[in-house]
Amino acid sequence: DIQMTQSPSSLSASVGDRVTITCRASQGIRNDLGWYQQKPGKAPKRLIYAASSLQSGVPSRFSGSGSGTEFSLTISSLQPEDFATYYCLQHNTYPYIFGQGTKLEIK
Amino acid sequence: EVQLVQSGAELRKPGESLRISCKGSGYRFADYWIGWVRQTPGKGLEYMGIILPGESKTIYSPSFQGQVTISADKSISTAHLHWSSLKASDTAIYFCTSSYSSARWDYWGQGTLVTVSS
Repeated sequence: DIQMTQSPSSLSASVGDRVTITCRASQGIRNDLGWYQQKPGKAPKRLIYAASSLQSGVPSRFSGSGSGTEFSLTISSLQPEDFATYYCLQHNTYPYIFGQGTKLEIK
Repeated sequence: EVQLVQSGAELRKPGESLRISCKGSGYRFADYWIGWVRQTPGKGLEYMGIILPGESKTIYSPSFQGQVTISADKSISTAHLHWSSLKASDTAIYFCTSSYSSARWDYWGQGTLVTVSS
């Protein structure tokens, strides 16, 4: 199986900050990666597909980059509603694997 | 409007069987893969398997092969996740999802909490 290593596992930041979360794949997955946001009691919501494309309706402060084995999600200016848990998901090879998650908390 | 609506929370004893469901609407259910995802505090999010309802083609993640059965009834636009003998470790929230690498196609059910306790 492809392993996904996501970091950091938790992150404390303030409104207006720029933050970056990374995922590393154990082997190349082209750009077959999505980024998800999950709030307590809710289903995950995809923010980015194909590593760098913005999902419809998602604010432009979210962006993704990377290809192959190294990927990142950046939030350019944190808003109060962005405090949540974020996951990457590789869908290049089955079984699809999520990263371990990054809990983004208010400083 | 595309929707995936899951069945309600379940409480079962170890050894019991269970089937939970996910009903799709607003699209051609038979033509799109549906996946099941487990969420636990300890292991996070895990893909269990996927099914193409129109062909009943199913792919299981190795960790879940033999542990659950994924099925679909395209006549009622519903996918199922079935356990023949539950364990306490099956306690989790289960999501169904239909997701493709496109700007608009990423749909999730609301989740079903399964609690297995004696």
